[in-house]
Amino acid sequence: NAGVTQTPKFRVLKTGQSMTLLCAQDMNHEYMYWYRQDPGMGLRLIHYSVGEGTTAKGEVPDGYNVSRLKKQNFLLGLESAAPSQTSVYFCASSYLAGRQRDTQYFGPGTRLTVL
Amino acid sequence: GESVGLHLPTLSVQEGDNSIINCAYSNSASDYFIWYKQESGKGPQFIIDIRSNMDKRQGQRVTVLLNKTVKHLSLQIAATQPGDSAVYFCAERGGSQGNLIFGKGTKLSVKP
Repeated sequence: NAGVTQTPKFRVLKTGQSMTLLCAQDMNHEYMYWYRQDPGMGLRLIHYSVGEGTTAKGEVPDGYNVSRLKKQNFLLGLESAAPSQTSVYFCASSYLAGRQRDTQYFGPGTRLTVL
Repeated sequence: GESVGLHLPTLSVQEGDNSIINCAYSNSASDYFIWYKQESGKGPQFIIDIRSNMDKRQGQRVTVLLNKTVKHLSLQIAATQPGDSAVYFCAERGGSQGNLIFGKGTKLSVKP
């Protein structure tokens, strides 16, 4: 199993440009998450999904949109990138119910720079 | 509000010594805690977890201790090795939506 994969690994955008980050997992997990990681800030939850076709806002959702059209994929979109969105983005997934639901497995990250 | 914090942002230890990384949490209702390890340029990797009905849990070379009285969590690494050098995050499940809340991280450096 590949686990959680993210595409692309690096990206540089100009202010106002749009892009989509792709997350894929092959563990049949129900829950998927998008985090951003900034120096000294730890991981902050942007959006998450509790199953195919569902999404919900996390701690810092503004400026981002997400979609979960397939169970194994979770897309994070930036419609109009801003320099404040320069960050490292991590996707994670976890099982649906019980104890194992809470163990989140992370992808390798996408480093995004907005100029 | 809910928060997860760390007492020390950096920790330097000698190879072979034991390491202790501390974490304070503020939400007494949090019922589940996790420690993650993050190496440079990689995503966080699960190390060990503990539920609030436990005080201690052991894994391979790692032990997590939970003190609910003072809302304190610690990660102990026995016989620390150079490969243990990384940033360690604690996380608690205490958010209103049941999601994890992560601390800012402690950087562990192991000196040979």
